[in-house]
Amino acid sequence: AQKITQTQPGMFVQEKEAVTLDCTYDTSDQSYGLFWYKQPSSGEMIFLIYQGSYDEQNATEGRYSLNFQKARKSANLVISASQLGDSAMYFCAMREGNTGGFKTIFGAGTRLFVKA
Amino acid sequence: EPEVTQTPSHQVTQMGQEVILRCVPISNHLYFYWYRQILGQKVEFLVSFYNNEISEKSEIFDDQFSVERPDGSNFTLKIRSTKLEDSAMYFCASSERLLVLSYEQYFGPGTRLTVT
Repeated sequence: AQKITQTQPGMFVQEKEAVTLDCTYDTSDQSYGLFWYKQPSSGEMIFLIYQGSYDEQNATEGRYSLNFQKARKSANLVISASQLGDSAMYFCAMREGNTGGFKTIFGAGTRLFVKA
Repeated sequence: EPEVTQTPSHQVTQMGQEVILRCVPISNHLYFYWYRQILGQKVEFLVSFYNNEISEKSEIFDDQFSVERPDGSNFTLKIRSTKLEDSAMYFCASSERLLVLSYEQYFGPGTRLTVT
């Protein structure tokens, strides 16, 4: 079974609008961490935002926020006021507590296209 | 700002040849990782390394792969006899502390390995 599922291979958004990138996860651990990374066409992996399983509030980092719904096991990324530079591949990822935190599991990614 | 560096940025090798990918993690970091990303696919965990030994490895990390920290600064990934399917982007990452919850791992820019 997939641990991290990103069901949107590609998304389009108009500049200055908000967009939600979906992510669902599967774990039996009580302690885990959820992450979003951005990968522009240049290839590097850029950390965006983190949500801990015990965090009661949704994480926010500037224009990025994570809509964490624990019961539904979803951790959607919301990008507000999209910019042309947001066009990139976005990966959702998870670390589970029972592995000692050594392994990060990535989803298949969503490619975001921001239109002018 | 300190960063993870990787050399070379692109390596072309013939099938069956040995290749060594090099990484210089951030200087005060203690945990080191290798990931790979086949073109157009998700990022996959290969191995983690702490205290001069492998902490965890994936099923991808078979006997053809090895890692080493030959001195106080470098962290290397060796592929003994490369196969066509080893063609991928290889990312090194490091973190200061154990990745259980929020401690972030910092990715290098990647080495693109092409096996012909």
